[in-house]
Amino acid sequence: ETGVTQSPTHLIKTRGQQVTLRCSSQSGHNTVSWYQQALGQGPQFIFQYYREEENGRGNFPPRFSGLQFPNYSSELNVNALELDDSALYLCASSLRRELPHEQYFGPGTRLTVT
Amino acid sequence: GENVEQHPSTLSVQEGDSAVIKCTYSDSASNYFPWYKQELGKRPQLIIDIRSNVGEKKDQRIAVTLNKTAKHFSLHITETQPEDSAVYFCAAPQTRSNQFYFGTGTSLTVIP
Repeated sequence: ETGVTQSPTHLIKTRGQQVTLRCSSQSGHNTVSWYQQALGQGPQFIFQYYREEENGRGNFPPRFSGLQFPNYSSELNVNALELDDSALYLCASSLRRELPHEQYFGPGTRLTVT
Repeated sequence: GENVEQHPSTLSVQEGDSAVIKCTYSDSASNYFPWYKQELGKRPQLIIDIRSNVGEKKDQRIAVTLNKTAKHFSLHITETQPEDSAVYFCAAPQTRSNQFYFGTGTSLTVIP
């Protein structure tokens, strides 16, 4: 079992609201990536943080933003929620940024937007 | 960016038979290919990976093969068991990064 944790487990929000999801990386890992997984699909890369800076971004609008803290934990913020934002949000931590490297997923946060 | 295609989308096998899932990628510079298993309601779990300097890697009943020329890699599960039933995802990275592109998944059902 990996050490990546996420909170909350489930969340229900109304369209137009804002949400913050949290991720604690595995001990010793300095890179956190966030993914959105819609039902029946593979994870889609949102962005990655390394040493508190954004290090790459997928095809997601600016209302998806994030932070990484000195202890390498991370937050994903989504503003102006839309119905299509309903998904499982996964974070994954890894040790290195420079090369493709093993990354380990947290259990995810299930977000439902009504 | 990288484009990853995965086939088949669903696969049913009898217990004890083998299962093979194939992925193709577009970026010839990609050099690391992980496979994840995701059971219903759970996180994707890394089960095996391969780097481009080898053609095959095995771990007990699971193996991954890589054909860099054809730009495809495959997951092989032998002697399948009911607990192998899950959705399997392949992934490939954007060049020189840890930003991964995932396949669309294969739902494997092992029939007892």
